[in-house]
Amino acid sequence: AQSVTQPDIHITVSEGASLELRCNYSYGATPYLFWYVQSPGQGLQLLLKYFSGDTLVQGIKGFEAEFKRSQSSFNLRKPSVHWSDAAEYFCAVGARGNAGKSTFGDGTTLTVKP
Amino acid sequence: DAGITQSPRHKVTETGTPVTLRCHQTENHRYMYWYRQDPGHGLRLIHYSYGVKDTDKGEVSDGYSVSRSKTEDFLLTLESATSSQTSVYFCASLLGQGTNTEAFFGQGTRLTVV
Repeated sequence: AQSVTQPDIHITVSEGASLELRCNYSYGATPYLFWYVQSPGQGLQLLLKYFSGDTLVQGIKGFEAEFKRSQSSFNLRKPSVHWSDAAEYFCAVGARGNAGKSTFGDGTTLTVKP
Repeated sequence: DAGITQSPRHKVTETGTPVTLRCHQTENHRYMYWYRQDPGHGLRLIHYSYGVKDTDKGEVSDGYSVSRSKTEDFLLTLESATSSQTSVYFCASLLGQGTNTEAFFGQGTRLTVV
């Protein structure tokens, strides 16, 4: 069975500081991996995804993530956080052939200090 | 935007009553999904559909049924609502196949069972 762990429930960073959100997954084969962002009262928006190939993936809003098979990790990074990045972030692993059949982590809430 | 709308956006209902939530997409996506989101948790898959009249269960399907009579509409029914089904429900549809795949989410339906 697939599973996703986001070890940090809540992270606070100062505006302009760098950010790393952790994600560890369990999946029997090479996974489809996703990061989504959710603003309060909104649906989820896809930030980036990894299917194969280059293990460093670029996404929208200046985010990137690195797939490390040896560590079963897919951590999300941003070099300089903006106040508008405050939101909840979800990592997900999707089934090959049916990527919407995803298992989500419990989420990390990001607070940005001025 | 994939043009996914959920209705209603908010609903309060009494225990034991039937409730139907609607998801409508205008992009002719083949795959559609219903998730629920509870505080402190990520999204959990209830049911999904891979075509008209083709549906399957997700990890938390007990107490829910779905129907898909048209490509654009995916209905989620709670036959007899219980307080444990108080949640925010998200619909998603899947664009593309393989590495082009991407799930688009609706804005959510907040359901309260009293």
